[in-house]
Amino acid sequence: GAVVSQHPSWVICKSGTSVKIECRSLDFQATTMFWYRQFPKQSLMLMATSNEGSKATYEQGVEKDKFLINHASLTLSTLTVTSAHPEDSSFYICSAPEGGRNNSPLHFGNGTRLTVT
Amino acid sequence: DQQVKQNSPSLSVQEGRISILNCDYTNSMFDYFLWYKKYPAEGPTFLISISSIKDKNEDGRFTVFLNKSAKHLSLHIVPSQPGDSAVYFCAASAGTNAGKSTFGDGTTLTVKP
Repeated sequence: GAVVSQHPSWVICKSGTSVKIECRSLDFQATTMFWYRQFPKQSLMLMATSNEGSKATYEQGVEKDKFLINHASLTLSTLTVTSAHPEDSSFYICSAPEGGRNNSPLHFGNGTRLTVT
Repeated sequence: DQQVKQNSPSLSVQEGRISILNCDYTNSMFDYFLWYKKYPAEGPTFLISISSIKDKNEDGRFTVFLNKSAKHLSLHIVPSQPGDSAVYFCAASAGTNAGKSTFGDGTTLTVKP
């Protein structure tokens, strides 16, 4: 069964609104989680590293004020797309390292398809 | 500059035959490599990994080969099964921090019955 749960699986929102995506680790604690964005037929692009108890670390070119990340607990990280625009429409996926260990393979959520109209 | 490349966007093989998926990388700092498999509407799932101290790692029907001098790795699936049909992503990281992996664009494998 899934060890990382991501919700919602899809969402449609109007331009200018904000959307929150949740990522939960099941049966293990994750001090670190990762958020990715994937465009059609392209690879997963790491957006940011979510750190429990501290600020997220954003990759170059990712607007931290646009993509707010909150690692509220050892099992929950949220990504909020603020003031969404059509160009934010994409597939967003989170992951957490197996057993919470950074040198372990990743468990991924099933992703969230965001469509901004 | 794409540091991890999967030059074949798709591959089709017959059931029972060998599937070989290739991946090239450019960053010599990469020392930990992983393959993930992704079905439609699901997130990627970990398949197999290899560290740079090895040149081969085997797990059942799946074998990953690493050629450090050529900066090339490959995933062999034998025998291929229809259930193996999926998108396969190659990923590479420096220092075994899988979370900071750089992913290739993926190869869609179709195994025909």
